[in-house]
Amino acid sequence: GQQVMQIPQYQHVQEGEDFTTYCNSSTTLSNIQWYKQRPGGHPVFLIQLVKSGEVKKQKRLTFQFGEAKKNSSLHITATQTTDVGTYFCAGRGTGGFKTIFGAGTRLFVKA
Amino acid sequence: NAGVTQTPKFQVLKTGQSMTLQCAQDMNHEYMSWYRQDPGMGLRLIHYSVGAGITDQGEVPNGYNVSRSTTEDFPLRLLSAAPSQTSVYFCASSLTPGTLNTGELFFGEGSRLTVL
Repeated sequence: GQQVMQIPQYQHVQEGEDFTTYCNSSTTLSNIQWYKQRPGGHPVFLIQLVKSGEVKKQKRLTFQFGEAKKNSSLHITATQTTDVGTYFCAGRGTGGFKTIFGAGTRLFVKA
Repeated sequence: NAGVTQTPKFQVLKTGQSMTLQCAQDMNHEYMSWYRQDPGMGLRLIHYSVGAGITDQGEVPNGYNVSRSTTEDFPLRLLSAAPSQTSVYFCASSLTPGTLNTGELFFGEGSRLTVL
């Protein structure tokens, strides 16, 4: 079945440093979504990528979808303490409805 | 607009007991799903539904039952609770993905279940 792998599991950064999390699917995806979960909270939608090679930006966050639509990345420039939390990628396979999540990357930011 | 409402927020069960986690959404979403979240495991899909009367299995369906008699409600039943089912459970819903919407998932606040 469809599997979504995400690395790293944890990342500790100093405030101001950059951060990247990577996501790989075992199958081609129709789209990939990214979510953020603050400690003790629930996942909140950030963005969706649909097209091969797509790049989207939200302020300091840059999202990429691979050419083969099997991998994606989230890059945060100059992290801030407000960026702490767990970042999940979630992929929906072609022809299906179910959304499979990666294991998440927990980001710690030291001021 | 309440969004996705889950009850209860906390529950402690003994091994072998049964219970139902309730999930309701008021956004007229066709798609509803249940995930469990365990440390280091991310969110794993238990069951999902693409509309009233239609349900399907996710990644980890064993030990759980669901039904979808209305668009609004999607309860998750644990038939005979086991310690391995200790987890945080999230219900999520979305519109069916299409050209006018992303199909983003809206999550409830979660239900923390402990099985002793």
